[in-house]
Amino acid sequence: ETGVTQSPTHLIKTRGQQVTLRCSSQSGHNTVSWYQQALGQGPQFIFQYYREEENGRGNFPPRFSGLQFPNYSSELNVNALELDDSALYLCASSLTSGGADTQYFGPGTRLTVL
Amino acid sequence: QKEVEQDPGPLSVPEGAIVSLNCTYSNSAFQYFMWYRQYSRKGPELLMYTYSSGNKEDGRFTAQVDKSSKYISLFIRDSQPSDSATYLCATVLYGGSQGNLIFGKGTKLSVKP
Repeated sequence: ETGVTQSPTHLIKTRGQQVTLRCSSQSGHNTVSWYQQALGQGPQFIFQYYREEENGRGNFPPRFSGLQFPNYSSELNVNALELDDSALYLCASSLTSGGADTQYFGPGTRLTVL
Repeated sequence: QKEVEQDPGPLSVPEGAIVSLNCTYSNSAFQYFMWYRQYSRKGPELLMYTYSSGNKEDGRFTAQVDKSSKYISLFIRDSQPSDSATYLCATVLYGGSQGNLIFGKGTKLSVKP
């Protein structure tokens, strides 16, 4: 176990709705990254938060947004859900935002959009 | 061209076999390379981490990086049914401010008893 937890485990939403996913980082980690993993694909980077500020973003539209809190827990919000948003959403925490640091993944939240 | 290419398999081997998993990458600036193992319905778990070229061994696992050919490999010796999982190669740009991982598609491995 990595010490990274995510909630909920599973979620079913309908197209157009909004969703919030939550992540609790490993103790002492100040950086959290979010990834989207579609079925049969590798994880794709959504964005990273370092000390409550967005620190980089992948090729995802603005309806994907996030927050990091002072205790370094984090949220991923997705507005106007589309069918293609159905995926496993993973968060990963690390000690710092630099590329050399190991990222520890949570178990993911499986989102289904109908 | 994708930044990291990985054959998705599936790959099926008998217990005790040597498994070879491979990826290629396109950007010569990548310097850190990882292999993650992902069991069904779980998050990826870091297996091996190498910097630049060379080999790294950890028990039954050996990670190999050949920067000249932009090729990374993971070898599993004496494979066990418990090794059945999806194996993801990943890399990251050194010095990048965000340190986001770039993954291959993953290779699904099945080790039959």
